[in-house]
Order: sequence, then structure tokens, then C-alpha cells
Amino acid sequence: ETGVTQTPRHLVMGMTNKKSLKCEQHLGHNAMYWYKQSAKKPLELMFVYSLEERVENNSVPSRFSPECPNSSHLFLHLHTLQPEDSALYLCASSHTRDYEQYFGPGTRLTVT
Amino acid sequence: TQLLEQSPQFLSIQEGENLTVYCNSSSVFSSLQWYRQEPGEGPVLLVTVVTGGEVKKLKRLTFQFGDARKDSSLHITAAQPGDTGLYLCAGYTGGFKTIFGAGTRLFVKA
Repeated sequence: ETGVTQTPRHLVMGMTNKKSLKCEQHLGHNAMYWYKQSAKKPLELMFVYSLEERVENNSVPSRFSPECPNSSHLFLHLHTLQPEDSALYLCASSHTRDYEQYFGPGTRLTVT
Repeated sequence: TQLLEQSPQFLSIQEGENLTVYCNSSSVFSSLQWYRQEPGEGPVLLVTVVTGGEVKKLKRLTFQFGDARKDSSLHITAAQPGDTGLYLCAGYTGGFKTIFGAGTRLFVKA
């Protein structure tokens, strides 16, 4: 039990669809992260929000659009994705500038 | 580009055997974390090491941080099927930056 939840757990979408991933943390943290995990590759940091402000954007294509309405919720809006975007998308949270991150279970995304 | 290399990439052993997983980099880290990830789940934090040369034990798991804070190892004694999973090391460089290794996939056969 990690205190970080993600929905949906599985998502299949076509290349022309629009969908959103949701993350919620119940740990009182004030930093939240989106990572992409592909097979046999290191976790790739996509976005970081601290105190609801985006502080990191690692050259992520604009077809991924994050939103952080408050310190407990984080969204990743998806549109016109490509098949190579299929992966496990992980949300994590931490105290600001703390190295210990707590992960959600992830959303397994398949783009057809 | 900062990299963390983990070895081996895959390990299949019998229950009761010992094993060591390595995590190496040319970069110096403020701290290093080890996570375990089971299929269909997110990584779960096992331990953080901060001081060069530090050794931490978690039941049958022993974690060591290199003296220069560039490398780390995870040793499992008498592995059990419940130890099966993907082991990830992660080096913290400050701010919001953590560099992850690609992981070591461990399978322990009963």
C-alpha cells in the first residue's frame, strides 16, 4: 500500500483519441512526478510539479499535457498518441526536493 | 548524460541461493535508492543510502553504497520465491532529478 493511486490501471486508445490519466496521493507530499517506463529501459522522467508549479519538463512531446490542480492530484492528458507511446506510465510523489519517491501502481497504456 | 548501469540484467536462481546485484555510474550521487517492482505494480522503495561506505540491512537484503558514492550493491542471502521482481537502483543528484537504472529482473525458483 503506497498511498498513491492511479486510474485507469489499463487503457487502450487509438491514435486519434483523447484520454486522461489520473493520479492522487494521500501522503501529504507537495511534489508529484510523471514517469514513462518501457521494457528494458530506465524510467524516463517526464514532468515534475512542486507546489502545483511545473518545475521539470524533459523535452516531452506536446501530445502529452500535464495538469496539477492541487498538491494531491496530477493528470496527464493524452491526444494523438503514437504506437511508440505504449508503455507503463507511473506517477510518484515526494516531499519537495526529497529523494524518496513513492510510486503509484501505474497505468498500462496501449496505443493502437 | 548521467547513466546508472545495473548488472546483471536478468538472474534466475534456485531458492536458497545467494546473489548480488550491482549498480554503477561515473557520476557522484547525493544518495541512492533501491526499489523493487512486481509485475503490474509500481516500484516500492526498499532503502536509501546516503553516506559513502554505508551498509544497510533489511532482513536478508544487504545494501552497500560505494566509498565514492558512485556505485552500490544489493546482496540477497538465501533467496526466496517472494524475492522475485525487478530491482531498480536510483541515484539522486539534487533538486528533482533522480537517475534510474534499467533494472535487474530476478526470478527465484522454488
